[in-house]
Amino acid sequence: GQNIDQPTEMTATEGAIVQINCTYQTSGFNGLFWYQQHAGEAPTFLSYNVLDGLEEKGRFSSFLSRSKGYSYLLLKELQMKDSASYLCAVRGTNTGGFKTIFGAGTRLFVKA
Amino acid sequence: SAVISQKPSRDICQRGTSLTIQCQVDSQVTMMFWYRQQPGQSLTLIATANQGSEATYESGFVIDKFPISRPNLTFSTLTVSNMSPEDSSIYLCSVEVSGGLFFGSGTQLSVL
Repeated sequence: GQNIDQPTEMTATEGAIVQINCTYQTSGFNGLFWYQQHAGEAPTFLSYNVLDGLEEKGRFSSFLSRSKGYSYLLLKELQMKDSASYLCAVRGTNTGGFKTIFGAGTRLFVKA
Repeated sequence: SAVISQKPSRDICQRGTSLTIQCQVDSQVTMMFWYRQQPGQSLTLIATANQGSEATYESGFVIDKFPISRPNLTFSTLTVSNMSPEDSSIYLCSVEVSGGLFFGSGTQLSVL
């Protein structure tokens, strides 16, 4: 089976840096996604890590350690619009292909 | 990425009726996925829909309740059958394209 853990809520200040952690246990690991979801909207793809290391995309970076079953999403220069839920999701094997399972999400509040 | 059109965007239904949700993709994809997101919760995978074969359902979801069609590589439907208020949720279709998992805009279902 699969198990994905991430903090329920985090609060950070505008302009600061925040790191959202995700730990997972799975069989047949094939990559890890991060998504941003604003209330009432569909999730928006942020990143996909397959290999160990850090991948940077503008203000957002994502890190993966497969041996530790650990990932984090780093948000720099926080803006008020970054207030949203951040979902960690693990891609694993399924009958005939792959499937992606989501963690419960971390609700981030950015304050002025 | 992919452009995914999902309809209806929302509906209010009576208990005991059924609703069919349609998902259209702008490119051919092998695997399509149907998720449910209950209020305040993260995404739960209902089933994986592969063209030319029966859908693969996750634990807790059955074909009689959530029949799925996948007639070609760009289209799928999910039916929510014999609805009850507990089925009130957002239903999302998604596809994997080039290492990313992308979502339609979702169907907000309310069952009275």
